[in-house]
Amino acid sequence: QVQLQESGPGLVKPSETLSLTCAVSGYSISSGYLWGWFRQPPGKGLEWIGSLYHSGNTYYNPSLRSRVTVSVDTSKNQFSLTLSSVTAADTAVYYCARSYSSGWADYWGRGTLVTVSS
Amino acid sequence: EIVLTQSPGTLSLSPGERATLSCRASQSVTSSSLAWYQQTPGQAPRLLIYGASSRATGIPDRFSGSGSGTDFTLTISRLEPEDFAVYYCQQYSSSPQTFGQGTKVEIK
Repeated sequence: QVQLQESGPGLVKPSETLSLTCAVSGYSISSGYLWGWFRQPPGKGLEWIGSLYHSGNTYYNPSLRSRVTVSVDTSKNQFSLTLSSVTAADTAVYYCARSYSSGWADYWGRGTLVTVSS
Repeated sequence: EIVLTQSPGTLSLSPGERATLSCRASQSVTSSSLAWYQQTPGQAPRLLIYGASSRATGIPDRFSGSGSGTDFTLTISRLEPEDFAVYYCQQYSSSPQTFGQGTKVEIK
C-alpha cells in the first residue's frame, strides 16, 4: 500500500521560507510517476503547487514559480517543497501526492497545516 | 489558465436520492482530461474518476462521470451516508492543472 506523510514546521514567520518533506512508503519514487505538492487554504479549494519526476524534471504553477522549489532524495525515498518569502496568503493545508503523468493524483498524504504568522 | 466552475455550490439531498454535479470549463478540456475527487472534513482528497468517466480503483459503481469539451458531470446514483462530502473537479489538459471551487453535498 502506497503511503505518503508530510512533515515540517506548522508555523512560519512572514518573509521566511516554508520547507516541507514528504516521506513515501510502499513504493519507490525511482520506479516512476509524478510526485507533487498541492495546498488548500482554510475553507477554500485546492491549488497545485508543483511536481517532479524521480529524474529531477520539475513542473511548477506559474503563479508560484518564482518562489517554489521541489526536489527529490531517492536515497531516502522522499521529496521536498520550499516556498520562499511567505505571507499570510500562504497559510494552508499542504498535501503531497502521487500523480500519473497524465495528471490525476491517486495517493495523497493526510496533509499538514502551515500557518504564516509572526 | 483553464477556470473550472462547479455548480451548484451546495446540493441538499436525502440518502437514497440521486446527485448530479456539474463542472464547466472556460475552454475545451482536451482528451477528456478531467478528474473528480471527494473530500470529507479533515481528510485528503480521494480520487473518484479520471479521464472524465473511468472509475478509480475501489470506487463503487454508484459513482459515474460523463462529459467532454467544456461540460462534465459527476453522478451519484443513490446517495449513501458516507457520500455527503465536498466534490472537486480537476483538469489536467493544460498546465497549470486547476481545480473547481467545489460542490458540497449535504444531508437535507
